[in-house]
Amino acid sequence: AQRVTQPEKLLSVFKGAPVELKCNYSYSGSPELFWYVQYSRQRLQLLLRHISRESIKGFTADLNKGETSFHLKKPFAQEEDSAMYYCAPHNYGQNFVFGPGTRLSVLP
Amino acid sequence: GAVVSQHPSRVICKSGTSVKIECRSLDFQATTMFWYRQFPKQSLMLMATSNEGSKATYEQGVEKDKFLINHASLTLSTLTVTSAHPEDSSFYICSATHPGQGAHEQYFGPGTRLTVT
Repeated sequence: AQRVTQPEKLLSVFKGAPVELKCNYSYSGSPELFWYVQYSRQRLQLLLRHISRESIKGFTADLNKGETSFHLKKPFAQEEDSAMYYCAPHNYGQNFVFGPGTRLSVLP
Repeated sequence: GAVVSQHPSRVICKSGTSVKIECRSLDFQATTMFWYRQFPKQSLMLMATSNEGSKATYEQGVEKDKFLINHASLTLSTLTVTSAHPEDSSFYICSATHPGQGAHEQYFGPGTRLTVT
């Protein structure tokens, strides 16, 4: 069965501090990995996908197949990064499953 | 590009009535749309996958006779909550995959907040 865990429900950091949002998954095959973000009063949107290897808004995510993890990182958090972050692995042809989400709060 | 809209953004209905929520892909044709439900401070839960011209595929535990999904065109899917009850109050979100972007990435609507009194 597909399973996604994000161990932190809430993560608070100070502005300028590094941030890491953890994601572990238990999937068969080799899923594509995504991080979605939901800012306050906005719709859910794609933040980044592993395959593109892009850095979006300063965020990167490293896929560790051995640990089946896809942690999201940013070296210097900004207040505008405060949002809900969802990890979402996906195997083509299977249902989309979102992790429980981590609320990131960047304090001034 | 790849904008998804939902209507209405919020609706209040009385217990026992039905309410229809529309999901539209505005600038692309979406062969597949998804309906999610999100409770306060919780993640999205997939309710059903809707393919144009065919019956929706419902997730386990989702009553298909209560949550009627119609995907009559490549740009419109509707979710009808029939005989609504207060426990159906929730935030309903639709999404669509863009055929030109691969089948993985989803584009989300802004959501519809349903309150059943």
